[in-house]
Amino acid sequence: NAGVTQTPKFQVLKTGQSMTLQCAQDMNHNSMYWYRQDPGMGLRLIYYSASEGTTDKGEVPNGYNVSRLNKREFSLRLESAAPSQTSVYFCASIRGKEQYFGPGTRLTVT
Amino acid sequence: AQSVSQHNHHVILSEAASLELGCNYSYGGTVNLFWYVQYPGQHLQLLLKYFSGDPLVKGIKGFEAEFIKSKFSFNLRKPSVQWSDTAEYFCAVLYNFNKFYFGSGTKLNVKP
Repeated sequence: NAGVTQTPKFQVLKTGQSMTLQCAQDMNHNSMYWYRQDPGMGLRLIYYSASEGTTDKGEVPNGYNVSRLNKREFSLRLESAAPSQTSVYFCASIRGKEQYFGPGTRLTVT
Repeated sequence: AQSVSQHNHHVILSEAASLELGCNYSYGGTVNLFWYVQYPGQHLQLLLKYFSGDPLVKGIKGFEAEFIKSKFSFNLRKPSVQWSDTAEYFCAVLYNFNKFYFGSGTKLNVKP
C-alpha cells in the first residue's frame, strides 16, 4: 500500500518547456488535489478533482491544466513553464475531511 | 475569499520551553480545523484535527490545540518542546466540506 505517489521527485525546465507531473493513489479515494508550496506562502490550491471525470480550479490555476485520468491518477500539466512556477508541488488524496499527501515534486524553471 | 492567518512566521525556542502558535481564520460557515507538521525535506503530516465536540483536542507527539469559536482561532500548544520538534507548522481549514485553505506556516527552531 504505497499511499500517494508522485513523479518525478525533481525537475529542471527551461522557460517555455512543457511537462506533466504525475500523481497516483491506491486508497480508492474520490477526491484529489494539487497544491504548490512557496516559501512564506504555505500551500495554495491549484486544481482539485472531487471525483473521477470532474476537475475544478483552486486559488492559483493560471498556467496549469489537469487531467483526472481515472480514479487513481490525477496529473498536472504546465504547457509553457515560467520562472514563477518554480515551486514544490504536492498532490493530496482526500477521504472525507482528511488529506493524505504525496512526497512532492521540486520544480525549477530557469 | 476565505483566509487563514498564522502570525508567527519564525519562532526560536530552547528545549523544554513551552510553545504556542497562533492560527486565525476568516468566517465562512462550517469549518473543520487542522494542524500539519513538515519536517525538513518531507511532506506534510497531520498533527491533530478538530471536527466538533470538545474544543481542546490532543494530537500526536504531545501537541494539543484549542478551538475558540468566538475568536475564530485554533492555536497549537505544546508544554515542553524538544529539538526534534524543529519543523514548519501549518494551520489548515476546511470550509463547508469543500476546499482546504492553508496558513503561510510557522518555522520552529528548537535549540538543544
